[in-house]
Amino acid sequence: GQQLNQSPQSMFIQEGEDVSMNCTSSSIFNTWLWYKQDPGEGPVLLIALYKAGELTSNGRLTAQFGITRKDSFLNISASIPSDVGIYFCAGQLSSGTYKYIFGTGTRLKVLA
Amino acid sequence: NAGVMQNPRHLVRRRGQEARLRCSPMKGHSHVYWYRQLPEEGLKFMVYLQKENIIDESGMPKERFSAEFPKEGPSILRIQQVVRGDSAAYFCASSPPIGFRYTFGSGTRLTVV
Repeated sequence: GQQLNQSPQSMFIQEGEDVSMNCTSSSIFNTWLWYKQDPGEGPVLLIALYKAGELTSNGRLTAQFGITRKDSFLNISASIPSDVGIYFCAGQLSSGTYKYIFGTGTRLKVLA
Repeated sequence: NAGVMQNPRHLVRRRGQEARLRCSPMKGHSHVYWYRQLPEEGLKFMVYLQKENIIDESGMPKERFSAEFPKEGPSILRIQQVVRGDSAAYFCASSPPIGFRYTFGSGTRLTVV
């Protein structure tokens, strides 16, 4: 089935540093979403992207929908300790499809 | 304005027992989805339900797993005769009738011993 490749798998960074992670696929997606999952909790939506090339920000987070529609990027600027968690990308294969395909996650640890 | 409510948060079952996981969608949401997350992995789609209807169960194992969303009450994911490989976090999400923007619950962590 479809698969999203997410990288890096994990990263340790210093507080204040910027973070970049990405998600790629062999399939074309109509929607890309980025979620954060805290330990013991469910995923919480951070950013949703609906058009190829779209660049959207949510506070210190910025995400882009790749122009090939096969990838997406998430950047976190000036990281803080509460950014720690697992970041998942998810995609919808065609408009209106209810099923999300999730990546395997990027585990972020921020060192104070 | 409660979100998606799942219970129990943690469930321990012995091999061969039954596990019942409950999910109450957000107010105004009539679509429910179940996803499974194995350790160190992403979430995998299991089933999509509307009231009294299973719309898509393509991600459900063929045996021992069933789901329902009755006219009244929560959605139930039922796993019969659990095995160690069923140990995972099970997440429920709901969405409104239009659009598929999910809200996830906090999950039920099933441990089979």
